[in-house]
Amino acid sequence: DVKVTQSSRYLVKRTGEKVFLECVQDMDHENMFWYRQDPGLGLRLIYFSYDVKMKEKGDIPEGYSVSREKKERFSLILESASTNQTSMYLCASSLLPGQGSYSNQPQHFGDGTRLSIL
Amino acid sequence: AQSVTQPDIHITVSEGASLELRCNYSYGATPYLFWYVQSPGQGLQLLLKYFSGDTLVQGIKGFEAEFKRSQSSFNLRKPSVHWSDAAEYFCAVADTGNQFYFGTGTSLTVIP
Repeated sequence: DVKVTQSSRYLVKRTGEKVFLECVQDMDHENMFWYRQDPGLGLRLIYFSYDVKMKEKGDIPEGYSVSREKKERFSLILESASTNQTSMYLCASSLLPGQGSYSNQPQHFGDGTRLSIL
Repeated sequence: AQSVTQPDIHITVSEGASLELRCNYSYGATPYLFWYVQSPGQGLQLLLKYFSGDTLVQGIKGFEAEFKRSQSSFNLRKPSVHWSDAAEYFCAVADTGNQFYFGTGTSLTVIP
């Protein structure tokens, strides 16, 4: 089974702090994703990466950055945390689309990090 | 633009009753569709997926979904709900770059 591990289940930080959320997957997946989940809004994509040192902005990248120095690890960085970044953060990974087909690779999710910014 | 609509924010069913969760999508090409379930405090678990072929797909935990192109729908069904099915359910459509677009979710409550 695919295992996506997020380093913290719960995290409390203060406004203005630099916050790192870590995600590690053990299945050699090329794609990795960071989402935030808020009630009534579903999942919104922050950033994704399809290879080491590659990154693409999602729908809500403002206030966030990411780092992918190794294939198995994808970090989300809040440069200067603000209270409106209090949320559940979900990491996911997937293989690249298979040859001859397109998006036929499901995303596998970690258990999430519930981040509170005070 | 790709999008997914789950019209029901919250559904309550009795244990043993049948269940149908609605999902409508907007996508210009052949859709790649998924249903995920999220138990409280957990990440998302894949229930089932549709890429092509038979429009009725079977998933884990006794769930199935039917793809109807004419209605742009991919509704999730279960013939008899168990108390452990209480959770949040998300429908998603994927584009050719494997970027997923999720609905806002349907929260399921199961009453004894």
